[in-house]
Amino acid sequence: ELKVEQNPLFLSMQEGKNYTIYCNYSTTSDRLYWYRQDPGKSLESLFVLLSNGAVKQEGRLMASLDTKARLSTLHITAAVHDLSATYFCAGTGTASKLTFGTGTRLQVTL
Amino acid sequence: DSGVTQTPKHLITATGQRVTLRCSPRSGDLSVYWYQQSLDQGLQFLIQYYNGEERAKGNILERFSAQQFPDLHSELNLSSLELGDSALYFCASSAPLKGFYGYTFGSGTRLTVV
Repeated sequence: ELKVEQNPLFLSMQEGKNYTIYCNYSTTSDRLYWYRQDPGKSLESLFVLLSNGAVKQEGRLMASLDTKARLSTLHITAAVHDLSATYFCAGTGTASKLTFGTGTRLQVTL
Repeated sequence: DSGVTQTPKHLITATGQRVTLRCSPRSGDLSVYWYQQSLDQGLQFLIQYYNGEERAKGNILERFSAQQFPDLHSELNLSSLELGDSALYFCASSAPLKGFYGYTFGSGTRLTVV
């Protein structure tokens, strides 16, 4: 069964600096998803990574996938306060359901 | 509005009671998934239905049950509620896109058991 681990669990970021969240998964996963969640709110889809070497970028966020290492990363460039939220990665394994990582809570400070 | 509708948004009930959470998927989506989000357990998959049939089951307690109706809406029934059942319950629906599934989440039902 697919297991997904994220680190760090919490990240205090200074505005303007760069950071990376790591997502490791245990077995083959056809797809890797990244979501954002604001406190008490729903999950907002950020990226879907479909194949080895896939890289997607939206604004200050860039996600990549290395299926051989079973690793996805979410890179934050020049953090701003608006990026403060909890970020989840999720895989599907061989099923169609999403299995989520533990989440990384990002807090951007001035 | 994501297109996935969950009701009610908030629910406060006493231990031992029974509640029903409702989810209407996006138009045309056949699959519905239920997730529980609590502080100590994170986002846990409960159950999936596809076009009225149970497709996959996760760590769903025996006190919990679900079904999907012919109009594709789904209900999650939670009975003999305990304090530990307090959580945010999400419903998601999925549709095949270009080579992958897109998942859309509802706004959730916050259940508080007192």
